Amino acid sequence: QVQLVESGGGVVQPGGSLRLSCVGSGFTFNNFGMHWVRQAPGKGLEWVALVSSDGRTKYYADSVKGRFTISRDNSRKTLDLQLNSLRPEDTAVYFCAKDIYPGDYDYYFDYWGQGTLVTVSS
Amino acid sequence: QSVLTQPPSVSAAPGQRVTISCSGNSSNIGKNYVAWYQQLAGTAPKLLIYDNDKRLSRIPDRFSASKSGASATLGITGLQTGDEADYYCGTWDSSLNAVVFGGGTKVTVL
Repeated sequence: QVQLVESGGGVVQPGGSLRLSCVGSGFTFNNFGMHWVRQAPGKGLEWVALVSSDGRTKYYADSVKGRFTISRDNSRKTLDLQLNSLRPEDTAVYFCAKDIYPGDYDYYFDYWGQGTLVTVSS
Repeated sequence: QSVLTQPPSVSAAPGQRVTISCSGNSSNIGKNYVAWYQQLAGTAPKLLIYDNDKRLSRIPDRFSASKSGASATLGITGLQTGDEADYYCGTWDSSLNAVVFGGGTKVTVL
């Protein structure tokens, strides 16, 4: 069965950095676009970034552009998110999510990880 | 402020029907397919509907959706206590080059 498992969350000071990872299994990882979506405590969903199946195309939400970097390693079936210049408003549960259709990339997600919590606080 | 607009909450008695609206514009819903997600408390979101009105095979037919112009609607019939959750619409915004979500609607079964 399809599984997505995130790791790397934790507590970091404002201005600090963190690297999140997501390992995929149960599907042909290199056939699907992948995304990061976050949810601040008690708030709604906010899309963060996507990377195409071949890793060449990347899009970011304006709120994280220039600070976060999405990447993937298809040989290791791993999706990463490098978080730099972190701000208190970046505090959230970060989910990785898989596109429903195989191909370059899409914009809805049929499988989600369990999420990893990032807390930005001094 | 979310790009897509949903009502914060809706409620109905068990067995009744609720509808959740999702309003956008010509760059997002008006141009692209819509998906709907259910998020039970403390869990990751789950895809219910994609391509405007297609249900995943594991989703009961009590859930249905439609789209007209720049708006979309999710309907739940035969409401059950297990349907209490937050529901989100989502789509692609061709002007922002970004996935956009609604702010979420909390469904309460009275």
